[in-house]
This record gives sequence, structure tokens and C-alpha cells, in this order.
Amino acid sequence: QKEVEQNSGPLSVPEGAIASLNCTYSDRGSQSFFWYRQYSGKSPELIMFIYSNGDKEDGRFTAQLNKASQYVSLLIRDSQPSDSATYLCAVNSDRGSTLGRLYFGRGTQLTVWP
Amino acid sequence: GAGVSQSPSNKVTEKGKDVELRCDPISGHTALYWYRQSLGQGLEFLIYFQGNSAPDKSGLPSDRFSAERTGGSVSTLTIQRTQQEDSAVYLCASSLPPGYRSYEQYFGPGTRLTVT
Repeated sequence: QKEVEQNSGPLSVPEGAIASLNCTYSDRGSQSFFWYRQYSGKSPELIMFIYSNGDKEDGRFTAQLNKASQYVSLLIRDSQPSDSATYLCAVNSDRGSTLGRLYFGRGTQLTVWP
Repeated sequence: GAGVSQSPSNKVTEKGKDVELRCDPISGHTALYWYRQSLGQGLEFLIYFQGNSAPDKSGLPSDRFSAERTGGSVSTLTIQRTQQEDSAVYLCASSLPPGYRSYEQYFGPGTRLTVT
């Protein structure tokens, strides 16, 4: 059973701070990792993906991957109230018939207060 | 361009009835996925279609659930003899063919199913 674990939160940070969201996964063979943002009542929206160990930056977002520790994180710099949402970590296992399917964590609810 | 579309957006049905949910993927996306999300839960994988290959049905929770994809495009998820535990948001996603960011899935707005 492939598992993806996230702290459910809620995580609350002030505007302008750095929000740090963490995710661990059980399948060492996992190849690609995704962060989705889901506003209340809306569908998930892809915001970051990472395939290689290290950091990947895109604007205010940085994804960090450590395959040895089976750990992926998302940093949001200069957090804004509009970043308030649930952040879902998703993992893809590049093996056989599971190619393409994603395993999702339950999400971390982030609140950025003004 | 147009994103993934789903219909209906909301469906209320009585226990025991059958329902059909429709998904129209992004043009050019050969892979199509169905997930469901219950209140406060993460996304649960249901089924995956990739081109003309046999679908991966490993996530379907029971034989009351089935899905088909006609012409490699539109997909229909059918739930027979609905139960209250089937109440959830059913999400469809699509992605590009293998070899080019095929793992990046783009979601539709979902169908909220309520079984009374």
C-alpha cells in the first residue's frame, strides 16, 4: 500500500511570512512529486512538480525533494491571504500499470492572516 | 484553451438509483483519470485510461462502479444502485501522452454527488 502523509494542520502564518508544508511517502520507487492547491469548494490546481533531488523554485514557491529521506516539501515565501487553501501532496509511482496514477495525501490546510 | 469539463456539476439521487457522470478531457490529452474526494479526505483514485490500452480499474471500490471511454475522448463513470457512502465529489483529470509531462494531471471542476 503506497502512502502519502501530510500534517493536516491547520497551519496558520501571518502575511509576509514563509509557510512550510511537508509530505512523506512510503514507496521508495516513486519518481515524480506534485503539489496541488485546492481552494474550498474548488478542484485541485497544479502549482509545482519536482522530479530530481534538491530545490526547484517558481516565483514565491519552492519545492524541495529528498528521495533518500522520502520527503518532499513546499515553501511559500511572502505568504499572502490569497494563498489560504488546502495543499495536497501527490506522488506518482513509475511502475507498470500504476503509471500515471497519483497517490494523494489528505492535504494541509493553510491560513494566511493579514 | 478549454480545460477539463464535467457534467452535471451537482447530482442528487435516491439510494438505489443509477447515476452517470461525464468527463470531457482537454483536447490532445490521451490519459484520463477518475478520482473521488469525500468530505475532509484526500483524493481517492478510481480508474485510469491511457489511449487504447486496457484501463487500470484497480481503484474502483466495488462492482457497482464502472467507466468507459468512447473514441479515446469523453468518459462516463456509472454508479449502479447508489449507496449513501457513494456521496462525494467525483473529479476527472487528464494528461498529455507519455513522454511529455504525462504525469501532470489537470482537473475538472468535479461533480458533487449526494445520495439521499
